Amino acid sequence: AQSVAQPEDQVNVAEGNPLTVKCTYSVSGNPYLFWYVQYPNRGLQFLLKYITGDNLVKGSYGFEAEFNKSQTSFHLKKPSALVSDSALYFCAVRDVYNFNKFYFGSGTKLNVKP
Amino acid sequence: DGGITQSPKYLFRKEGQNVTLSCEQNLNHDAMYWYRQDPGQGLRLIYYSQIVNDFQKGDIAEGYSVSREKKESFPLTVTSAQKNPTAFYLCASSIGRTGEFRSNQPQHFGDGTRLSIL
Repeated sequence: AQSVAQPEDQVNVAEGNPLTVKCTYSVSGNPYLFWYVQYPNRGLQFLLKYITGDNLVKGSYGFEAEFNKSQTSFHLKKPSALVSDSALYFCAVRDVYNFNKFYFGSGTKLNVKP
Repeated sequence: DGGITQSPKYLFRKEGQNVTLSCEQNLNHDAMYWYRQDPGQGLRLIYYSQIVNDFQKGDIAEGYSVSREKKESFPLTVTSAQKNPTAFYLCASSIGRTGEFRSNQPQHFGDGTRLSIL
């Protein structure tokens, strides 16, 4: 079975500090991994994806993610958090057998305090 | 601008009533999806469609029905058999697998419909 897990329901960080939102995956074969952000009462917005190549992926709004095959992780990072980054973040993986199916983590609420 | 439009934004259902949520996309995507979002549970797949006139059940299809008569439209009906319909419903689309490159693309999401019981 393929899945992603987000071990933290909530992450708190002070504005200006670096942030990390964790994601681990379980897939057979090469993973296709994604990060999305959701603001209240809105849909999910795509941030970045890992398909192959460099382990450090850069995305929108200054976010980046580090792919680690040995630890089966794909953690979302940002060097300096903004209050406006406060939102719900989802990690997702594409089904390697049915490319039209995606599996989502349970989400991590990021709180950035001034 | 291309995107996904969900309507209405808020919807109320009476006991024993069926309601239909609309989802329209102008992205020329083949695949479309319906997810249900409950607090603390992430997204759960209700139905998805890879092509017109075809759709598959997701993980929580009971009490829901869909149709895909046009590429642009994928309406979801919440039937009276769904005993706990109160949730935030999200529609999404993706290009679909028509070659390795295109299959790497992410999903695009609408802004959701919040359904409540009266």
